[in-house]
Amino acid sequence: GAGVSQSPSNKVTEKGKDVELRCDPISGHTALYWYRQSLGQGLEFLIYFQGNSAPDKSGLPSDRFSAERTGGSVSTLTIQRTQQEDSAVYLCASSGRESLRETQYFGPGTRLLVL
Amino acid sequence: QKEVEQNSGPLSVPEGAIASLNCTYSDRGSQSFFWYRQYSGKSPELIMFIYSNGDKEDGRFTAQLNKASQYVSLLIRDSQPSDSATYLCAVNPVGASKIIFGSGTRLSIRP
Repeated sequence: GAGVSQSPSNKVTEKGKDVELRCDPISGHTALYWYRQSLGQGLEFLIYFQGNSAPDKSGLPSDRFSAERTGGSVSTLTIQRTQQEDSAVYLCASSGRESLRETQYFGPGTRLLVL
Repeated sequence: QKEVEQNSGPLSVPEGAIASLNCTYSDRGSQSFFWYRQYSGKSPELIMFIYSNGDKEDGRFTAQLNKASQYVSLLIRDSQPSDSATYLCAVNPVGASKIIFGSGTRLSIRP
């Protein structure tokens, strides 16, 4: 596709429910990132996938958060038993080699509100 | 020490002046450097990248890289109110494909 896409664009859920957020990276990009951004705050790194390597999960805030990337393309971020503090914008980005350099592009984000 | 550091601001610059945004990084071997602009409520947008020491110009934007001092800066000439946004510095450390972000500098251009 032309860019990184994410779905849904907005999600409202009740505390305690599970949610799944989807990311479609740019075709051919080997790296995929998930970030979280609360209102007025910076990017909080969550998880990083690179090719077939084991993902870097160092940013996941708790074991309620997990992510997978199927077939080296689409990724799903799952939040179990959501809490109000999980409310944020969840951003996905993919990167690939352009002019022999790694370049990263962001999707539009999923705005999650936990009531 | 954070891997990529930026002053959070806000940085207030009068319209028409030059806005100067700075970023320092800890990995001396880093090879690729990026500036992203993020408007409130929007995703970060890549506006500049630089790989070599010196200056790189693109329209009103100039990225400056000094590897010896481990800093990268972004200059915005003839600042416009539409330049008001948060500017994120990002670095690709040597030997890694992971890109590391700073926390961003909030820029406000006052008419």
